[in-house]
Amino acid sequence: GENVEQHPSTLSVQEGDSAVIKCTYSDSASNYFPWYKQELGKRPQLIIDIRSNVGEKKDQRIAVTLNKTAKHFSLHITETQPEDSAVYFCAAVRDDKIIFGKGTRLHILP
Amino acid sequence: GAVVSQHPSWVICKSGTSVKIECRSLDFQATTMFWYRQFPKQSLMLMATSNEGSKATYEQGVEKDKFLINHASLTLSTLTVTSAHPEDSSFYICSASFAADTQYFGPGTRLTVL
Repeated sequence: GENVEQHPSTLSVQEGDSAVIKCTYSDSASNYFPWYKQELGKRPQLIIDIRSNVGEKKDQRIAVTLNKTAKHFSLHITETQPEDSAVYFCAAVRDDKIIFGKGTRLHILP
Repeated sequence: GAVVSQHPSWVICKSGTSVKIECRSLDFQATTMFWYRQFPKQSLMLMATSNEGSKATYEQGVEKDKFLINHASLTLSTLTVTSAHPEDSSFYICSASFAADTQYFGPGTRLTVL
């Protein structure tokens, strides 16, 4: 089955700097890669996604890149703000089944 | 649009009792609903997938006789944790889907078993 690895598990960045979270997946049949932000005790919120026929997607301060050949995908957050502090999960989807990475706890330092 | 609710939002029960959690899609008909479990500081783990009117498909390692799933309509799925024990204490989250890939998550139910 699909296996999604996510790094780092914890990331601290200065407010205003950029944050990068990286994931790899194992199943080449996975074709959809959403990223979720989860605040403590709340539901995961979809923040951006990318499909396997696209290499890059951007939405304001958030961008995602996908390298299908290497089975890598990454989340980039620029100009980080205090409200970006949360746990971020990457995921790979095949046949409607979401497999989540283990999560990255992002701390934005003042 | 695409709102999913869960009830209750939290529940505390005694060991050995059963607990039912409801998941509802409020403004759409969900062809598929999913149940996840999330332990503290861990990721979401898929427990089972259910389609309206058919038996749920459980992930490996999830006991179907312990976690009973009923998907009676296109807007309601229920998860019953039978004979709950402290190790079942967790955050249970459902999601609902009506289109390929996209899942809409419920707010979660925090279960504490004493």
